[in-house]
Amino acid sequence: AQKVTQAQTEISVVEKEDVTLDCVYETRDTTYYLFWYKQPPSGELVFLIRRNSFDEQNEISGRYSWNFQKSTSSFNFTITASQVVDSAVYFCAPGSGYELNFGKGTSLLVTP
Amino acid sequence: GAVVSQHPSRVICKSGTSVKIECRSLDFQATTMFWYRQFPKQSLMLMATSNEGSKATYEQGVEKDKFLINHASLTLSTLTVTSAHPEDSSFYICSASRPSTDTQYFGPGTRLTVL
Repeated sequence: AQKVTQAQTEISVVEKEDVTLDCVYETRDTTYYLFWYKQPPSGELVFLIRRNSFDEQNEISGRYSWNFQKSTSSFNFTITASQVVDSAVYFCAPGSGYELNFGKGTSLLVTP
Repeated sequence: GAVVSQHPSRVICKSGTSVKIECRSLDFQATTMFWYRQFPKQSLMLMATSNEGSKATYEQGVEKDKFLINHASLTLSTLTVTSAHPEDSSFYICSASRPSTDTQYFGPGTRLTVL
């Protein structure tokens, strides 16, 4: 079984600030995936990234970046120069395409 | 990214009636689809896994006779809430697993309100 902890329940930042969302997971699997999804106020979950446990390279996609530290079982997500449209609930989830173990999510509010 | 649609997006019904929600994968064939339920300010809770051509697998505590799931084709799964009651009011979200990417893609959700 896999478990994930998103310790930050709510974060509030001012536009253009950088913000990091923490994700710590537990798993007994030797290979696994880690996912991040965004849920804006509209409700739809938007897929952001899938990371294979074998690949420990950090990834950057525009203003988004992810830091995977297998030694500490963490997969943190950083938004650089945040924008109001980044306001959403973000879920970290270890698993696969057939099983997702969602954390409780972190609600991010970006104010102008 | 993949596209999954859900219909209706919002439904209000009277207590005792049944409601059907459709979930379609629009650009890939999905042998496996999932139904989740989400209460306000909470995480997603998996209700059942829907496999094309076979019976759905329900999570513990989910009544299979109340939440009927049919996955008749590789692009369509339906969830029917039978004899709905106010406590069934919730946000229902489906997802489809895309085999080529081993990733679940989610529909926009259906907000059900039972009066």
